[in-house]
Amino acid sequence: KNQVEQSPQSLIILEGKNCTLQCNYTVSPFSNLRWYKQDTGRGPVSLTIMTFSENTKSNGRYTATLDADTKQSSLHITASQLSDSASYICVVSASSQAGTALIFGKGTTLSVSS
Amino acid sequence: TAGITQAPTSQILAAGRSMTLRCTQDMRHNAMYWYRQDLGLGLRLIHYSNTAGTTGKGEVPDGYSVSRANTDDFPLTLASAVPSQTSVYFCASSAGNTGELFFGEGSRLTVL
Repeated sequence: KNQVEQSPQSLIILEGKNCTLQCNYTVSPFSNLRWYKQDTGRGPVSLTIMTFSENTKSNGRYTATLDADTKQSSLHITASQLSDSASYICVVSASSQAGTALIFGKGTTLSVSS
Repeated sequence: TAGITQAPTSQILAAGRSMTLRCTQDMRHNAMYWYRQDLGLGLRLIHYSNTAGTTGKGEVPDGYSVSRANTDDFPLTLASAVPSQTSVYFCASSAGNTGELFFGEGSRLTVL
């Protein structure tokens, strides 16, 4: 069964600190993996996409990694800011002749405090 | 650019009543989706439409119906609301093969 597991479920860090969010997946056939950021009361917004051949991709203070062998991805946030407080959702895409399925993780809620 | 527009933003509904959540996009995306988001369960797919004129069932379709008369609009209807349908509903669209979803701001529905 296709599954996406995220950890931790929630995280509290001090402003300025770094943190890493984890996403483990068992999805086949793997097409790509996206990280979304969802601010409170808003819809999710895509942060980055990782394809099979990509190991690392950065978007400002956000750096995503992908290990296709171990089926793990991480999202590293550097020098956190209060505006980073949000839920982060990992979504894995599985594409086949039957179509494309998106498998969602349940998200990690990050709280950045001053 | 407006992107995805959902209405209403919030609604309180008596059980047994019907309700239609509206969703309009201005990006000319072929695919559109309805998700519900519940604490501890994440986003779950209710119904989807790969192109105008076609719809399909997602993970949790019971109690909901959709239509896709044109590219831009994808309304979600609850024929007879029940308290378990209390949730935040998100409409989304996507284009191409990358699968990036563009979400609306959500509609918070409370069924009493």
